[in-house]
Amino acid sequence: AQSVTQLDSHVSVSEGTPVLLRCNYSSSYSPSLFWYVQHPNKGLQLLLKYTSAATLVKGINGFEAEFKKSETSFHLTKPSAHMSDAAEYFCVVTLSGDYKLSFGAGTTVTVRA
Amino acid sequence: NAGVTQTPKFQVLKTGQSMTLQCAQDMNHEYMSWYRQDPGMGLRLIHYSVGAGITDQGEVPNGYNVSRSTTEDFPLRLLSAAPSQTSVYFCASTFGADGLGQETQYFGPGTRLLVL
Repeated sequence: AQSVTQLDSHVSVSEGTPVLLRCNYSSSYSPSLFWYVQHPNKGLQLLLKYTSAATLVKGINGFEAEFKKSETSFHLTKPSAHMSDAAEYFCVVTLSGDYKLSFGAGTTVTVRA
Repeated sequence: NAGVTQTPKFQVLKTGQSMTLQCAQDMNHEYMSWYRQDPGMGLRLIHYSVGAGITDQGEVPNGYNVSRSTTEDFPLRLLSAAPSQTSVYFCASTFGADGLGQETQYFGPGTRLLVL
């Protein structure tokens, strides 16, 4: 079975400063890893995904994530936070060949002006 | 192309009442699924379907039924609502064709359900 741990339930940053959201996973097989974002009262939108092609993955809106197998991590970063980045972020894992998503508990990002 | 649509947006039920949450997609996706979102728990899989006529249980299926008579629609039924089913429900879909689980899944806007 696979599982996901998001290490921070809440992250607060100032506008223009870097954002780091931490995610560790456990999986017995080769995982696919995703980051989704949910803005208030909205559905979920895919930010980026790791599918074993490259360990550094670039996504939308300036976000990127690095897959580190030795550390079983898939942390999400952005060099400069914008007010529009205030949202909840979910780290998600699936097993190879499986479309069932296992979600982390989520990290709420607050951006201060 | 409307993507994934869900109705209603919000619903209040009394304990014991039944209702159906609707989900539809116009992308010809084979794989559809239902999740519930509760504070501090992320999203958890309720039921899923790999194509018309085929459904299976997810992590938290108790109290919910599904059917898949067409590719487009995947309704979720609550036969006898309980306060523990107060949640936000999301429907998702994807082609489900790569055999690797790597395809992007598209989510609907959600249905907020309150059971009194």
